[in-house]
Amino acid sequence: GAVVSQHPSRVICKSGTSVKIECRSLDFQATTMFWYRQFPKQSLMLMATSNEGSKATYEQGVEKDKFLINHASLTLSTLTVTSAHPEDSSFYICSARDGASGGEQFFGPGTRLTVL
Amino acid sequence: GENVEQHPSTLSVQEGDSAVIKCTYSDSASNYFPWYKQELGKGPQLIIDIRSNVGEKKDQRIAVTLNKTAKHFSLHITETQPEDSAVYFCAAFLYGQNFVFGPGTRLSVLP
Repeated sequence: GAVVSQHPSRVICKSGTSVKIECRSLDFQATTMFWYRQFPKQSLMLMATSNEGSKATYEQGVEKDKFLINHASLTLSTLTVTSAHPEDSSFYICSARDGASGGEQFFGPGTRLTVL
Repeated sequence: GENVEQHPSTLSVQEGDSAVIKCTYSDSASNYFPWYKQELGKGPQLIIDIRSNVGEKKDQRIAVTLNKTAKHFSLHITETQPEDSAVYFCAAFLYGQNFVFGPGTRLSVLP
């Protein structure tokens, strides 16, 4: 299957700092990328959807000024958590949809963010 | 909008037995149904999927069945092994919209 990479896999930061997470589709062009947040023992919660070259669409309740998403190319999307606070600590997972395959969606390995 | 339910929430089976997880969806227009396996601390991995024009699909020990009339689809794992222990998520999708995931099933395969 298609491969999606995510970097970093783990990050620990101090409260008030910003953290950038990268998501790359390695062997296909991702027309759409997604960012999810997952709390322990819960399902995936969609935060935002981004299409290459356009502004991200945020789900209700997700602060777009806090979670900045950039989808500059068909293989790269970034999520920046600005002014992180302990409540932002979570598992963040990106996903990419292969536009050529009719909808299949592949997930990255996730990033564990811990805000002290 | 689409709503996906998944049962059971937890499932324990003996090694070698079969495991079945069932999902129901609400939007009859949904036409793509993937299953993901998520191991602890990792991202979900696509293990099998089915489209609405097919009733059953099999890949070695894993199979998925789809009943469009009843709007439910099921994951079947035969000859379970300890490495099958994970959380499994189903999803329903209509092209042009976003995936809707079920709440997940935690499968434990006991040696």
